[in-house]
Amino acid sequence: EPEVTQTPSHQVTQMGQEVILRCVPISNHLYFYWYRQILGQKVEFLVSFYNNEISEKSEIFDDQFSVERPDGSNFTLKIRSTKLEDSAMYFCASTTNGDQPQHFGDGTRLSIL
Amino acid sequence: TQLLEQSPQFLSIQEGENLTVYCNSSSVFSSLQWYRQEPGEGPVLLVTVVTGGEVKKLKRLTFQFGDARKDSSLHITAAQPGDTGLYLCAGEDSGYALNFGKGTSLLVTP
Repeated sequence: EPEVTQTPSHQVTQMGQEVILRCVPISNHLYFYWYRQILGQKVEFLVSFYNNEISEKSEIFDDQFSVERPDGSNFTLKIRSTKLEDSAMYFCASTTNGDQPQHFGDGTRLSIL
Repeated sequence: TQLLEQSPQFLSIQEGENLTVYCNSSSVFSSLQWYRQEPGEGPVLLVTVVTGGEVKKLKRLTFQFGDARKDSSLHITAAQPGDTGLYLCAGEDSGYALNFGKGTSLLVTP
């Protein structure tokens, strides 16, 4: 069964450094999402992306965050200047149509030192 | 953001027992989704409920959507150790963004 793949599985970065998290959504999917889950807390929506632009974003998704679909397969989340509180699991999800169930990757664990 | 409250937060039972977990909101959702998440992995979709009063079965799991589409329940019959995991409910918030509950952490011991 096709799946969403995320790399790396674990990223350790110094505070203030830039980090790029990568996702390869399911190939025929058109809607892409990023969520994060801080340890012990609930999964939180960050941003949705469709037709090469952001369709929706949460309050968490401030100017330090950006997303990009640089080619036909990858979907990336960039954090420009990481903070300690950015430490979390980051999940990518995709779906064929906005109202269809979202399929999640296994996440990238981001640790900011 | 519409709040989804899940209860209980933790549940530890013996193999073979039945259990029910709940997902409640004061808001109406067009649909609710149930996911299961295991440590170090992403949420895996179990079911989507759309119609008020709807009941869906997935082997030993029974999902129900409340008539008013504000709440949902998951009932597991004869739980097995393989059912251990974090059960999450999620509803569509504004647009297509999913709003998750905090989950029920289930432990089934042999």
